[in-house]
Amino acid sequence: EAGVAQSPRYKIIEKRQSVAFWCNPISGHATLYWYQQILGQGPKLLIQFQNNGVVDDSQLPKDRFSAERLKGVDSTLKIQPAKLEDSAVYLCASSLGIGTGYEQYFGPGTRLTVT
Amino acid sequence: AQKITQTQPGMFVQEKEAVTLDCTYDTSDPSYGLFWYKQPSSGEMIFLIYQGSYDQQNATEGRYSLNFQKARKSANLVISASQLGDSAMYFCAIEGNTPLVFGKGTRLSVIA
Repeated sequence: EAGVAQSPRYKIIEKRQSVAFWCNPISGHATLYWYQQILGQGPKLLIQFQNNGVVDDSQLPKDRFSAERLKGVDSTLKIQPAKLEDSAVYLCASSLGIGTGYEQYFGPGTRLTVT
Repeated sequence: AQKITQTQPGMFVQEKEAVTLDCTYDTSDPSYGLFWYKQPSSGEMIFLIYQGSYDQQNATEGRYSLNFQKARKSANLVISASQLGDSAMYFCAIEGNTPLVFGKGTRLSVIA
């Protein structure tokens, strides 16, 4: 079974530029998550999708971050314009369902450096 | 709000020895789940073990076991017979009525 795929793996941009990350979840997984992991911290949830609907985006900085999951499969996360504090690893995860007990499977992450 | 506290920034253990990584949590949800993930230097989060709040027995998965003490709100991870490949960051996380919340992690170093 193929795991969660993410691209690119690394990205370096200047502040005020825009950037987009792509995620392809495990086939059949209805729930998709985007996390931000700043160096030295645990991952923080940015947004959670169930199929192509948003379940939770309470921690997404909506003035600069946006995400979509068209057709309930692949997802993109965009930052525009980027700030220095956005430097982090962006992790995508997927799970079969929603609620307690469903294991989340993580992708390898995209390491973003904003200069 | 849910919260995870991992008080050990770093731990060292001798190869083949057992090690306990501490995790305490705070939640007001009547039903919740506790997870442990491993993050090697490659960056990918690897699921290790899960404990539901109503599970009567402590969870075990191979060399991993979860010492769940509900009254003390603790969910410590025990790794038996440590291997060099166990060197990584370990994160405890809780999920209830809100999505997964992670702690800051513990860096485990296994010494030969």
